Amino acid sequence: DTAVSQTPKYLVTQMGNDKSIKCEQNLGHDTMYWYKQDSKKFLKIMFSYNNKELIINETVPNRFSPKSPDKAHLNLHINSLELGDSAVYFCASSQGTGVNSPLHFGNGTRLTVT
Amino acid sequence: GESVGLHLPTLSVQEGDNSIINCAYSNSASDYFIWYKQESGKGPQFIIDIRSNMDKRQGQRVTVLLNKTVKHLSLQIAATQPGDSAVYFCAEKRTDKLIFGTGTRLQVFP
Repeated sequence: DTAVSQTPKYLVTQMGNDKSIKCEQNLGHDTMYWYKQDSKKFLKIMFSYNNKELIINETVPNRFSPKSPDKAHLNLHINSLELGDSAVYFCASSQGTGVNSPLHFGNGTRLTVT
Repeated sequence: GESVGLHLPTLSVQEGDNSIINCAYSNSASDYFIWYKQESGKGPQFIIDIRSNMDKRQGQRVTVLLNKTVKHLSLQIAATQPGDSAVYFCAEKRTDKLIFGTGTRLQVFP
């Protein structure tokens, strides 16, 4: 029943590793997003995709590569993980193109890089 | 009680009192605003939204006020309950992005 689901919920890994986070939405939305929340709770947009096409890339290092196989899925692959990548990553979705309706968020993936 | 959500401040209110959480936004061209509630270990949850052609919108126990002259948004929660304890974020639509404020932590004590 979960509208926006992310896996895994927790991810602990060492510096230099490559990892992926998966996201799926069953709301029939056209646009999906990745946000990063730091330790001070600040939420910052990273990417958005509309119907599998990249719309926003917010000056994120190219070690981060989103992939959208279809409009219900948006995965995030991170290469050569760094300590500063530790954060909670949220996937979200919204109806239509652009922000004209509320974003629906998943429950986050807490990434810890050691 | 009232608070300005700029540095994740904490607003402490007694159960049953009304809460007011404030937010300042920067872009006078922003035309859509959303309030979110985030509980520990969960993602932001939509509470209420308002477009710039309105100055007030009411939901169940919540009211959002928009003052475009001073670029100020507030969330009022009536009869605050323990379940309202969370971090509250305002967010504004800026071009095609939803930009979040820094959040306000609401603590409800008995």
